[in-house]
Amino acid sequence: DGGITQSPKYLFRKEGQNVTLSCEQNLNHDAMYWYRQDPGQGLRLIYYSQIVNDFQKGDIAEGYSVSREKKESFPLTVTSAQKNPTAFYLCASSGRTGSNEKLFFGSGTQLSVL
Amino acid sequence: KNQVEQSPQSLIILEGKNCTLQCNYTVSPFSNLRWYKQDTGRGPVSLTIMTFSENTKSNGRYTATLDADTKQSSLHITASQLSDSASYICVVSGESYIPTFGRGTSLIVHP
Repeated sequence: DGGITQSPKYLFRKEGQNVTLSCEQNLNHDAMYWYRQDPGQGLRLIYYSQIVNDFQKGDIAEGYSVSREKKESFPLTVTSAQKNPTAFYLCASSGRTGSNEKLFFGSGTQLSVL
Repeated sequence: KNQVEQSPQSLIILEGKNCTLQCNYTVSPFSNLRWYKQDTGRGPVSLTIMTFSENTKSNGRYTATLDADTKQSSLHITASQLSDSASYICVVSGESYIPTFGRGTSLIVHP
């Protein structure tokens, strides 16, 4: 998985609870991304970060929050405001922001609601 | 709006047979097109990248083609193997560095 580690592999959330998904990379990549994947749908961008201490909203940021305090780490918090959080979450990174850069993906976290 | 459409949605073939997956896009201006392979429960892995000037690119048994005029790409898999069973995702990048993902084609290879 290209040096990107996501944890946990499976996560269960109770109603009203915030949960945090971990993403760590050892590729020295500047850019990191969070995507959500639902069955039969393409990947949708939640948040992305080009450099440390900076991040931007993607297409479906509502109900999610992120931080980028270290270059290697880009955790995603699914808040209680996200009413339909059940999905497969993928973290990715690339060397720099540029359209020719290949995305390296982690193995994903499957989040389910109890 | 930038869009990437893939067909078929799913495909079942016998081991050893060839198959072709299609991708149509409306991303403009166009920068590059990638095909990714995603095994079940895993993250996608890049197979090929094609830029505007490239028509064909191969990676082992995978051959991608690009027609930038008609905005179409195909991924041809030769002599399929059981390990080719996966979802194949077409991803197109334009002037923005945020790529547009297709929904993928689910390929099942039966022995």
